[in-house]
Amino acid sequence: SAVISQKPSRDICQRGTSLTIQCQVDSQVTMMFWYRQQPGQSLTLIATANQGSEATYESGFVIDKFPISRPNLTFSTLTVSNMSPEDSSIYLCSVEAYDRPQQFFGPGTRLTVL
Amino acid sequence: RKEVEQDPGPFNVPEGATVAFNCTYSNSASQSFFWYRQDCRKEPKLLMSVYSSGNEDGRFTAQLNRASQYISLLIRDSKLSDSATYLCVVDGGATNKLIFGTGTLLAVQP
Repeated sequence: SAVISQKPSRDICQRGTSLTIQCQVDSQVTMMFWYRQQPGQSLTLIATANQGSEATYESGFVIDKFPISRPNLTFSTLTVSNMSPEDSSIYLCSVEAYDRPQQFFGPGTRLTVL
Repeated sequence: RKEVEQDPGPFNVPEGATVAFNCTYSNSASQSFFWYRQDCRKEPKLLMSVYSSGNEDGRFTAQLNRASQYISLLIRDSKLSDSATYLCVVDGGATNKLIFGTGTLLAVQP
């Protein structure tokens, strides 16, 4: 499986600010995804990060709040904009295996918004 | 109805016990099924895929019943290190999205 890293691993931010999370994969992958896992909850898909085009957002998530970049096949960023305490969560990127539908996850970014 | 439903637990079992988790899914078009394991404050990790014929990996056995849209995971001879949350995961049918259940918490007691 691919080795996936995320930066930062955690952050504490003030409301109204923005944070950009980076996801780096050690090999080229077609599909990359961003998830949110709120405290005590399961994972919710935010968007699919598409290389060379705009991300595909799930219901309830919009580009203005969660802009995503995917400049190449090994890297993506997710920005959490104009943060509020409700954005406190773990944000995870994942990649799809090249030959099967299962996904592998980065270690996550633990965000606390004060 | 939730797309993927699991009993949240917790399941508290003694070491050496056999424990079974169940999961139901709502999308009859789903084709891929997985169990993931998530340790506290860690990312989910793939435990095993689930095939129609059933599959076994050591102490872990997964089964799929497409007619009932039901998936199970059986853990035999539980170890302390099996303590984690087990996530039932199903693909979204015509898409490559994965739908995650809320997870079942297992606590294996010494």
